[in-house]
Amino acid sequence: EPEVTQTPSHQVTQMGQEVILRCVPISNHLYFYWYRQILGQKVEFLVSFYNNEISEKSEIFDDQFSVERPDGSNFTLKIRSTKLEDSAMYFCASNRDTNQPQHFGDGTRLSIL
Amino acid sequence: AQSVTQLDSHVSVSEGTPVLLRCNYSSSYSPSLFWYVQHPNKGLQLLLKYTSAATLVKGINGFEAEFKKSETSFHLTKPSAHMSDAAEYFCVVSDLRRGTYKYIFGTGTRLKVLA
Repeated sequence: EPEVTQTPSHQVTQMGQEVILRCVPISNHLYFYWYRQILGQKVEFLVSFYNNEISEKSEIFDDQFSVERPDGSNFTLKIRSTKLEDSAMYFCASNRDTNQPQHFGDGTRLSIL
Repeated sequence: AQSVTQLDSHVSVSEGTPVLLRCNYSSSYSPSLFWYVQHPNKGLQLLLKYTSAATLVKGINGFEAEFKKSETSFHLTKPSAHMSDAAEYFCVVSDLRRGTYKYIFGTGTRLKVLA
């Protein structure tokens, strides 16, 4: 069965550095999402992306964050200048249309030192 | 605004006994509701979904959930727990008719299955 894949599984970065989290959505999917889960807290929506533009974003998704689909397969989340509070598990998800359930990757654990 | 409340952060059951994980939702419109499961160090796997068809929804691995509009509930059940069911379970609400595709997650329920 097709899967959403995320790399790396664990990323350790110094505070203030830029980090890029990578996702390969399922190949025929058109809608893409990022969520995050801070340790001990609930999973939170960050951003949705369709047709090469952001369709919705949360208050969390400020100017430090950006998303991109640089080619036909990858979907990336960039954090420009990381803060300690960005430490979390980041999940990528995709679906073919919005009436279908979202398929999630295994996540990237981001640790900011 | 949409919200989801999972009433129990931890549930322990003995193997072979029934499982009940409780979820209440708040939504202005008829919502889509989902249960996802997360095993350790794995992603979120869809168990089942409700999208305004039958109110009793059957999912994978013997799980099912019943949508009760009058109680704004979507509890997850399984007749007989298996050791492999030990995981974290998330109730999720989405409301496409409001033009938003995002999921709103509950805080999760960690299910422990005792031998």
